[in-house]
Amino acid sequence: GDSVTQMEGPVTLSEEAFLTINCTYTATGYPSLFWYVQYPGEGLQLLLKATKADDKGSNKGFEATYRKETTSFHLEKGSVQVSDSAVYFCALKIQGGSEKLVFGKGTKLTVNP
Amino acid sequence: DSGVTQTPKHLITATGQRVTLRCSPRSGDLSVYWYQQSLDQGLQFLIQYYNGEERAKGNILERFSAQQFPDLHSELNLSSLELGDSALYFCASSVSASSGNTIYFGEGSWLTVV
Repeated sequence: GDSVTQMEGPVTLSEEAFLTINCTYTATGYPSLFWYVQYPGEGLQLLLKATKADDKGSNKGFEATYRKETTSFHLEKGSVQVSDSAVYFCALKIQGGSEKLVFGKGTKLTVNP
Repeated sequence: DSGVTQTPKHLITATGQRVTLRCSPRSGDLSVYWYQQSLDQGLQFLIQYYNGEERAKGNILERFSAQQFPDLHSELNLSSLELGDSALYFCASSVSASSGNTIYFGEGSWLTVV
């Protein structure tokens, strides 16, 4: 079946540090890939997405590149801020298939000043 | 603000009871999804409706049911509640059933079963 594996957290960084959260996937078809973010006490927000191989999604300084050869969609940010503290979810959706999003378990990021 | 509205935001109820969670999708969105977020299971897809019709079913218990009304709002009914049903229930919506469309989430309804 379809599945997403994220690096286990929690991840704790100092402000301005470099962030990488690894995400790999297994898909029965051709997936679209997403990163969602959940800030404390809030719902899920779409952070970025990519719909085909080699596409790079980017938003708010975050980037992720769709790597079909390694079935990966790692999230990166060059310089994190305290306000980036949240839980980050990697997800996939099979194109032309069921509309459901399949989520990873989430990675909690804490950024200290 | 995603434009997806969920009520109530918080709900505490006793085991064995029944509750209804309500969702208004973004204006113009025809597709509605329900997800459950719990500590042990993570984010699980429950069910999807498109323009009033059930389109996909996930890990939804038989004690749970949902529907989408002609005005496109949706309700998730949870009955014979158990302690393990305590979770954050998300509603989400998208423009259509096309896989290329982004799915937008509401802020969730926190359900606590005591």
